Amino acid sequence: DSGVTQTPKHLITATGQRVTLRCSPRSGDLSVYWYQQSLDQGLQFLIQYYNGEERAKGNILERFSAQQFPDLHSELNLSSLELGDSALYFCASSVAGGPGNEQFFGPGTRLTVL
Amino acid sequence: GEDVEQSLFLSVREGDSSVINCTYTDSSSTYLYWYKQEPGAGLQLLTYIFSNMDMKQDQRLTVLLNKKDKHLSLRIADTQTGDSAIYFCAEGEANQAGTALIFGKGTTLSVSS
Repeated sequence: DSGVTQTPKHLITATGQRVTLRCSPRSGDLSVYWYQQSLDQGLQFLIQYYNGEERAKGNILERFSAQQFPDLHSELNLSSLELGDSALYFCASSVAGGPGNEQFFGPGTRLTVL
Repeated sequence: GEDVEQSLFLSVREGDSSVINCTYTDSSSTYLYWYKQEPGAGLQLLTYIFSNMDMKQDQRLTVLLNKKDKHLSLRIADTQTGDSAIYFCAEGEANQAGTALIFGKGTTLSVSS
């Protein structure tokens, strides 16, 4: 158990809908990262937050947005869903200080768009 | 842009050594990582190496880094069936706020008894 929690574990929805994925980082970690894992694209970095502020952006679509709240939990919002958005979405957290900046991954949310 | 390449599959017999290879493109990467993903699970950090190191050993794991060729390898000694999983190589550049990781597509290691 990494200490990172993600809810829900599974989500099934229809095209055109909007969903929100939630992540709680490990206690004491200030940085949160979102990744998407799909069969064709592999593991892709989406976005990083540090202490409530966006710090880095990867291959995140304009239909997707995220935020980190004052209690440091984060939400990833996916809208106008398409079949190709079906994937496993991972959240990771790190202390964001010291060497290595080890990222601890949550168990993921499996999104299925029908 | 940054890219990380790995072979997709490796099959070994229990007790043998496994070597998983990875090449990366970003010469400014400060850290290189190996993650393990078991079926239905999240990613677990196995080990990482700082870019000014050539080798790092941690119990059964040995990481070799050839910075000139941008080649990273993970050797697992005495491979066990419990080592069967997908192994991801990742590169990242540490900054004050953390590190965004660029992952390879993963190498599926299959260990037969």
